[in-house]
Amino acid sequence: DVVMTQSPLSLPVTLGQPASISCKSSQSLVHTDGKTYLDWFQQRPGQSPRRLIYRLSNRDSGVPDRFSGSGSGTDFTLKISRVEAEDLGVYYCMQYRHWPHTFGQGTKLEIK
Amino acid sequence: EVQLVESGGDLVQPGGSLRLSCVASGFTFSSYWMNWVRQTPKKGLEWVANINPAGNAKLYVDSVKGRFIVSRDNAKNSVTLQMNSLRADDTAVYYCAGWGDSNYWGQGTLVTVSS
Repeated sequence: DVVMTQSPLSLPVTLGQPASISCKSSQSLVHTDGKTYLDWFQQRPGQSPRRLIYRLSNRDSGVPDRFSGSGSGTDFTLKISRVEAEDLGVYYCMQYRHWPHTFGQGTKLEIK
Repeated sequence: EVQLVESGGDLVQPGGSLRLSCVASGFTFSSYWMNWVRQTPKKGLEWVANINPAGNAKLYVDSVKGRFIVSRDNAKNSVTLQMNSLRADDTAVYYCAGWGDSNYWGQGTLVTVSS
């Protein structure tokens, strides 16, 4: 199975400051169609996961533009340009280039 | 409004069976891949199974192959997960999730396997 490794696992941030989460995959997530099958999810306390970014860098409808995804091959990053209080929760990367689809361990974003 | 409503979670003894259901509304269900994903505090999020829009292609994670069966009824906007030979490590919150033009998740249903 493809292993997804996130860092850091805990991320204390100050409101209004940027935040960055890294995700590394054990195999390339680039398909023969040229697309990268990597999504990012947010899970707020007590809620179900919500997708923020699909196929590397595309924001889902309703997702604030302070969220952005980037990377290539096996190395990916989720950035929040200015953290707001509603952003607290756990963030997961997920690959669906290979079966079984696999998630990272999660990064807990905490407000300082 | 989009809704995915799971039901069927319960406490069951090891070796027992359970059937989870998920009913969708507010989107074109028949165009979406439907998935079951489970979550535990220890193992995090784990993909369990998925089924294509037509219902004729299914994939399972190795740990549930031969024990779980996913199926769908597009006329009823529903997807089910039949879980047999349940083990303690199947204990989790089970989510149904739809993948298509957008991505939708249910609220989850708790399955506890314990004697």
